[in-house]
Parts: sequence; structure tokens; C-alpha cells
Amino acid sequence: LAKTTQPISMDSYEGQEVNITCSHNNIATNDYITWYQQFPSQGPRFIIQGYKTKVTNEVASLFIPADRKSSTLSLPRVSLSDTAVYYCLVVRNNAGNMLTFGGGTRLMVKP
Amino acid sequence: GAGVSQSPRYKVAKRGQDVALRCDPISGHVSLFWYQQALGQGPEFLTYFQNEAQLDKSGLPSDRFFAERPEGSVSTLKIQRTQQEDSAVYLCASSFAREVMNTEAFFGQGTRLTVV
Repeated sequence: LAKTTQPISMDSYEGQEVNITCSHNNIATNDYITWYQQFPSQGPRFIIQGYKTKVTNEVASLFIPADRKSSTLSLPRVSLSDTAVYYCLVVRNNAGNMLTFGGGTRLMVKP
Repeated sequence: GAGVSQSPRYKVAKRGQDVALRCDPISGHVSLFWYQQALGQGPEFLTYFQNEAQLDKSGLPSDRFFAERPEGSVSTLKIQRTQQEDSAVYLCASSFAREVMNTEAFFGQGTRLTVV
């Protein structure tokens, strides 16, 4: 599976838009990009998944350029409760059932 | 239940002791996963069940680790002769579909194991 690279940490302030970019240069045709969020002392929680272009849900947007070698998770107007670790994963269809997590990005939202 | 339930939440074991960690997945979920998460790291895959069948155990770090899901619902992760390097949070996740692609995985809160 394609290895993912994302910033180790980011700081933001309440009300700002946060964009976390993940690179996955070796992504394959049947790979999807998935993001999970993890709060302290909790298990990861699914945020969003996409294949190409843009996906939006009530929590976030995911932007994937045409070459799919990177993706950007966008969190609009963050609040203190968005402080968490965000993981970018590449998930391959029909190729096993494990999710492979990297180190994630630690987002700290300040007042 | 409303979500994936794991017990105990915290476990302190003396080195050499055997431990058993329990996972109650969401009712009806076919797939069940175990992950190990060291402090400050992302979760690492241990093993995967589809119903009662253990289809992938490639992530189990040693033969001291054993997992079972005999009736296709509750699962137990057993660690024999615990070592200090086994100290971590053990996460259980379940999903409705057979393929992780087709649906999200729901994680429990984890069991924090400390080996002293």
C-alpha cells in the first residue's frame, strides 16, 4: 500500500479553517483515501473518504487533485474540541482488510 | 449496544502474567479487528476476523499473542507471559461489511495495558 506522509503537528485558532495535507505518491488505481480522527483516550473515528475531486460531509471536506498523489483534509471554522490527531490512510479495495495508520497530525486548536 | 465496547479499560499486569482483553463489537458487524497503539504512535494492525474465522493474524508480534472469536461476535485477545514491551493501548474495531473499503470501521475506547 502507498505510504502516507503528513505533518507531525499543526496549531490553529478557534474559528479558523484548517487544511491538513497528506502525500501518497505511490497511490494505486484502486486505492481510496480515508481520514480518521482520534481524541485522547479514545479510539479513532472515521471522518471522510474519497477517491478523486472533492467530497464534503457535515464534518469536513476532502480535496483530491487529479493525479491523486496528495489529498487535503479541510476542517471549517475549528473549535477547541477539534484538537485531536488526524490520520490519513490509503485503503485498497479487495486487498485485505486492515487499516494502515501512520503517525498522524496532531492538531492543537487554541482559544 | 450503541458502540464497540472493550473491557477492562485499564489493566496492570506483572511481567510474566497472562492477560485477556475483551471486545464486544457492534451487533451484526461481520468484521472485527485488533490494533495495538503505543504511546504517541498510530494504531498498528494485529489481527482480523470475518465472523468466527481469523483471516489475518500477520500483525501479531509473537506467539504469546492469541485472539479468538468463537461465535462470531465477542472477541478476546490473550497475551501470555506479558513483557514490558507489551504495554500499550489495545484497540478493537468492527465494521458491517466484509471489505474495509465498503464501510467505516468503528473503534472501541481501548484497553490500556501496563506491564510492571
